[in-house]
Amino acid sequence: DIVMTQSPDSLAVSLGERATINCKSSQSVLYSSNNKNYLTWYQQKPGQPPKLLISWASTRESGVPDRFSGSGSGTDFTLTISSLQAEDVAVYYCHQYYSTPYSFGQGTKLEIK
Amino acid sequence: EVQLVESGGGLVQPGGSLRLSCAASGFTFSTSWMHWVRQAPGKGLVWVSRIKGDGSAISYADSVRGRFTVSRDNAKNSLYLQMNSLRAEDTAIYYCARGEVAAMIGGYWGQGTLVTVSS
Repeated sequence: DIVMTQSPDSLAVSLGERATINCKSSQSVLYSSNNKNYLTWYQQKPGQPPKLLISWASTRESGVPDRFSGSGSGTDFTLTISSLQAEDVAVYYCHQYYSTPYSFGQGTKLEIK
Repeated sequence: EVQLVESGGGLVQPGGSLRLSCAASGFTFSTSWMHWVRQAPGKGLVWVSRIKGDGSAISYADSVRGRFTVSRDNAKNSLYLQMNSLRAEDTAIYYCARGEVAAMIGGYWGQGTLVTVSS
């Protein structure tokens, strides 16, 4: 089974500053046949279901602000928020869909400093 | 507009059973992978199960295999999760979500239904 580990568990960033969340998978989630990383990033606010931000490790979903970006390949991935806004306070999860059982990282709680 | 509405949650005693439903609309349900994901109170997301559009492929998390059964009725645009031998650790909000390309859990999730296992 693939284990997803995020760091840090929590993060406090000043408004307008950069926030970086890391995600590491216990084995590669890069499919060699299509050169795609089977990894997504979700944002979850209290009382709401998760919202898909990034798919294929770096493809921003429609309507997601361009301050959100995803990068990485293989086993190491990063979600970056280039300029933190108040509405970005949430818990962020990485998720692999390379193989079942699918798995999520433990979550990173992002707060305003 | 894509909509997913879960129902069937509630309070059940340990060892009991419950059947969750997810009513889908706004998309071609019969060709879509569907997923169940759960979230214990104050905890993270845990994938539970997935089922292919025609029901021909099903997968489960180790923690529920043998106790939970996922199914679907494409004529009713409905997804189900039959949960047996429930344990306290199954207490969670259960979300259904639509699958996308490569059976990825996509951007459409229901609001969830709360299952509480307690005596």
